[in-house]
Amino acid sequence: GAGVSQSPSNKVTEKGKDVELRCDPISGHTALYWYRQSLGQGLEFLIYFQGNSAPDKSGLPSDRFSAERTGGSVSTLTIQRTQQEDSAVYLCASSLASAGGTDTQYFGPGTRLTVL
Amino acid sequence: RKEVEQDPGPFNVPEGATVAFNCTYSNSASQSFFWYRQDCRKEPKLLMSVYSSGNEDGRFTAQLNRASQYISLLIRDSKLSDSATYLCVASHSSASKIIFGSGTRLSIRP
Repeated sequence: GAGVSQSPSNKVTEKGKDVELRCDPISGHTALYWYRQSLGQGLEFLIYFQGNSAPDKSGLPSDRFSAERTGGSVSTLTIQRTQQEDSAVYLCASSLASAGGTDTQYFGPGTRLTVL
Repeated sequence: RKEVEQDPGPFNVPEGATVAFNCTYSNSASQSFFWYRQDCRKEPKLLMSVYSSGNEDGRFTAQLNRASQYISLLIRDSKLSDSATYLCVASHSSASKIIFGSGTRLSIRP
């Protein structure tokens, strides 16, 4: 079946511009996670959705970052006024979990964001 | 101090060798543990969950030591295809947050 998909796969933008990243989770998965990974680094947790609500936004690095999820499915991560330090691969994952953290996460291929 | 710590490596071992990694976690409330594998420029994929009693899947064995707060991964008879970065994960379901380690890089040489 279809896995997690993300778009765009690559995004190059200029400093100060806004970008929107999209994640389509596996159908039926209630939990959705956003992470970012800088070159050679581990995954940095950004935000978690259970259905359409985000019980944990603690990982968002600044108020320039926001995310939403509609219809319990697609999620968008928006970065306003991008900075060069925002350059990273943004990974989305979904899981069946009704209570986060205990189920296998399935990752999308990521969006590679480059801020010039 | 990071919540989940791993030796970044790289571990460079010959094909057929046995290699082991440890990962320590600082939050004693962590309840679920996993090992993920990540190939270069690819997304992470689940390798195996780590159960309290330890578990084995073919050449791979994972163990959990709650007293010392570490988990381990043992790879026997390593193959060239095992070359990857191995990410340790700890989660505490009440916080609905999953913490990934920075990964241990493994390179298997012929």
